[in-house]
Amino acid sequence: GAGVSQTPSNKVTEKGKYVELRCDPISGHTALYWYRQSLGQGPEFLIYFQGTGAADDSGLPNDRFFAVRPEGSVSTLKIQRTERGDSAVYLCASSLSGGAETQYFGPGTRLLVL
Amino acid sequence: AQRVTQPEKLLSVFKGAPVELKCNYSYSGSPELFWYVQYSRQRLQLLLRHISRESIKGFTADLNKGETSFHLKKPFAQEEDSAMYYCALGVRGRRALTFGSGTRLQVQP
Repeated sequence: GAGVSQTPSNKVTEKGKYVELRCDPISGHTALYWYRQSLGQGPEFLIYFQGTGAADDSGLPNDRFFAVRPEGSVSTLKIQRTERGDSAVYLCASSLSGGAETQYFGPGTRLLVL
Repeated sequence: AQRVTQPEKLLSVFKGAPVELKCNYSYSGSPELFWYVQYSRQRLQLLLRHISRESIKGFTADLNKGETSFHLKKPFAQEEDSAMYYCALGVRGRRALTFGSGTRLQVQP
């Protein structure tokens, strides 16, 4: 089947604007993760959903970042009042049940805040 | 807090040479260790995990709890092994992975 998909693939915005990044997990995967990858760094955890609920949001850097997964499938990462430091690749991953199993990554959304 | 260290940003070897990508972690409990790989213009994908104790594409990695290491090894590098490699740490009770900063492996002909 299809893998994890993310849209848009690239997003350019201006400082202070609001952006939404979308993730479509593998069908049937109940666990969904968001990571952020800055240049030259590995992915950094942001938030994890089990079903519709955010089971762990300890990685969200501040209250400008918010994510939802209302029907337990597609998730949207929302960033308010974007700052230049938010520029990064935002990665989404999903796994079957959220146990210690493989996380399957999407291609990422490259966000550039001017 | 958990931490993963990959000391080499770039490792360049010739085809047929042995490869060792270093990974050290800090965590006081029982870790779950993974190696992820990202080939050029492809998405991040799992290469192997210590629980499985398997060899994938000729790569192996052994968890050494005494040295808190999980180095990735391959006896004979191939050009198609050229990629970015990330070591990742999972801990019990928490699904998030902690990644290292990655090592770029270049295998020259």
